[in-house]
Amino acid sequence: QKEVEQNSGPLSVPEGAIASLNCTYSDRGSQSFFWYRQYSGKSPELIMFIYSNGDKEDGRFTAQLNKASQYVSLLIRDSQPSDSATYLCAVNDGGTSYGKLTFGQGTILTVHP
Amino acid sequence: EAQVTQNPRYLITVTGKKLTVTCSQNMNHEYMSWYRQDPGLGLRQIYYSMNVEVTDKGDVPEGYKVSRKEKRNFPLILESPSPNQTSLYFCASSTTSTGTWNNEQFFGPGTRLTVL
Repeated sequence: QKEVEQNSGPLSVPEGAIASLNCTYSDRGSQSFFWYRQYSGKSPELIMFIYSNGDKEDGRFTAQLNKASQYVSLLIRDSQPSDSATYLCAVNDGGTSYGKLTFGQGTILTVHP
Repeated sequence: EAQVTQNPRYLITVTGKKLTVTCSQNMNHEYMSWYRQDPGLGLRQIYYSMNVEVTDKGDVPEGYKVSRKEKRNFPLILESPSPNQTSLYFCASSTTSTGTWNNEQFFGPGTRLTVL
């Protein structure tokens, strides 16, 4: 079974700091990588997706992908208490079943004032 | 309002009593999927559907059935529920694309199922 690994945390950062969330995956053929945010008691919502090596920036969020190392990360700059949530990394299947998605177990982020 | 709806939102049942959790989306999405979420395990995909009459297994399909007879609906069926199926279930939908899969999934509100 293909695996997606995240450090479950909790990761605690002070307000205004950079939060760094990491994800590794086992399927070398995977092409698409997603970061979802899930507030407690709520449904996941997409923050970013990335499919090319390198960085992709959207506001305070930057996704970084390194396919050679099978590593994807999410950086949150100027962290705010409202960023406190669980962050889920998701990776699609690299074969013909590209609709099959594997999620990591999630990293709990706490941003304290 | 564009949304994914699930019913029921909460359900307590007993072992072996067949149940169906409905999922419906009004965004004309081709792709729909079911997940279960358990503490420490994240989201695990049960089944997904790329379009009407096309369904495929995810990582944890045992004990579940699905059907996709209409584009908007994707019910999850538990023929004989067992306590290890106690979980939080999410339905999701998205558009599809050829080539690189970069589709945002929209999640329903979740169904909390307890099997006694």
